[in-house]
This record gives sequence, structure tokens and C-alpha cells, in this order.
Amino acid sequence: QLQLQESGPGLVKPSETLSLTCTVSGGSINSGSSYYWGWIRQPPGKGLEWIGTIYFSGSTYYNPSLKNRITMSVDTSKNDFSLKLTSVTAADTAVYYCARREGVGYGSGNLFDYWGQGTLVTVSS
Amino acid sequence: SYVLTQPPSVSVAPGATATISCEGNNIGSKSVHWYQRKPGQAPVLVIFYDTDRPSGIPERFSGSNSGNTATLTISRVEAGDEADYSCQVWDSSSDVVFGGGTKLTVL
Repeated sequence: QLQLQESGPGLVKPSETLSLTCTVSGGSINSGSSYYWGWIRQPPGKGLEWIGTIYFSGSTYYNPSLKNRITMSVDTSKNDFSLKLTSVTAADTAVYYCARREGVGYGSGNLFDYWGQGTLVTVSS
Repeated sequence: SYVLTQPPSVSVAPGATATISCEGNNIGSKSVHWYQRKPGQAPVLVIFYDTDRPSGIPERFSGSNSGNTATLTISRVEAGDEADYSCQVWDSSSDVVFGGGTKLTVL
């Protein structure tokens, strides 16, 4: 059974960089084919927001509204992938989830079939 | 950008049927996926491609999609179904889009 686990600081100061890692177990992150890896967040009292997606090769797809502040990377040797979000503000306070995405683009499922439990990141001084 | 609209909350008595809507412009032309979220747990895919159920999801969960509205229907609702439910699509201009989520309360 594929499992994903988010890790990283639970508290980040305003203007600093939020860094999270998602470790994948029970399967290989470079299984290739149509599986991608992504980040989704849920601010308090709000709905889910897609942050970005990465393929094992390093190809990335970012939410345009966050694109200027996001960097995603993948480490196939550690079977994990990471998110960096710069210049954070209180608006970036959220539960951050990592998930496996099936397909990207037209004709693909573009669905998230495995998720981590999520990690709360609070932006506060 | 593409927008999906869900009711903030739906309440239903145990044993009754819950319907959760997801509205979007011509959503019937898109594939809709539904997720269940419970506090402290990993979200679960409950419906994909409008009507399909992953293995392990009870037959009580069903979906439909036509025109400007997609619907998640939960029959014979149980206390354990109480959760937040979100719809999701892919849009050529926005990539992944989620609805605002609906909190299902079992009375």
C-alpha cells in the first residue's frame, strides 16, 4: 500500500521560506508512467488549493497564483519530493498535503489517489 | 480561472440520502473527482471520473455529472460519513481546481 508522509517545521516566520518534504513508501517515486507527485493545501476555514505538481524527471507544473514563490524538487534516491515557498505571510498558514497525481493535462485523469495525512504550517512571528 | 461552487454545509439524518452539489460552467464536459476529508486523516478519493468508485468505497457513494452541476450522492447515510467533501476537476487554463468543500453533518 502506497503511503505518503509530510515533514517539516510547523512554524515559520513571516517573510521566511516554508520547506516541506514528502516521503513516499510502499512504492517508487520514479515508477514513471502516468504518476506525478503534488502538493495541496487547505487554509483554515477554506477549501483545498492546488500548489503544484512534479514528475520524477523533475518536470514541474505550478499554480499560476503561487508560481513566483514556489520551487518543487524530487530526490529519487531518497524516494521523496519537496516544496519550498518563499516570502510567506499569514495567508500561507494552512494544512499542507502531499499526494500522488494520476496524469497531467488533457485526456488524463488529473486525480489524486493517495494522500498524506497533512501537516499544519503556521506563519507567525 | 475556472471556479467550482459547493454549498458550505449539508445536514442529513442517519439512514437518509445526502446530495452534495458542485457547480461549474459546463462542468458536464469535464471529469469530476470527489474527496472525503476527516480531521487528522488523509483525504480519500471516493468518486472519480464522475461516477466510478475506488475499491473499498461503499456502493452507497455515487456520482453524476451533467450540464453545469456535478453531484455526489450518499445513500443510507451513516455517522461515519460525517466529513468534508470536495469536488475537483482539471481545466485547461487553471490546471487543478477544487471546490470550496461541503461539510456533511449527520444529525
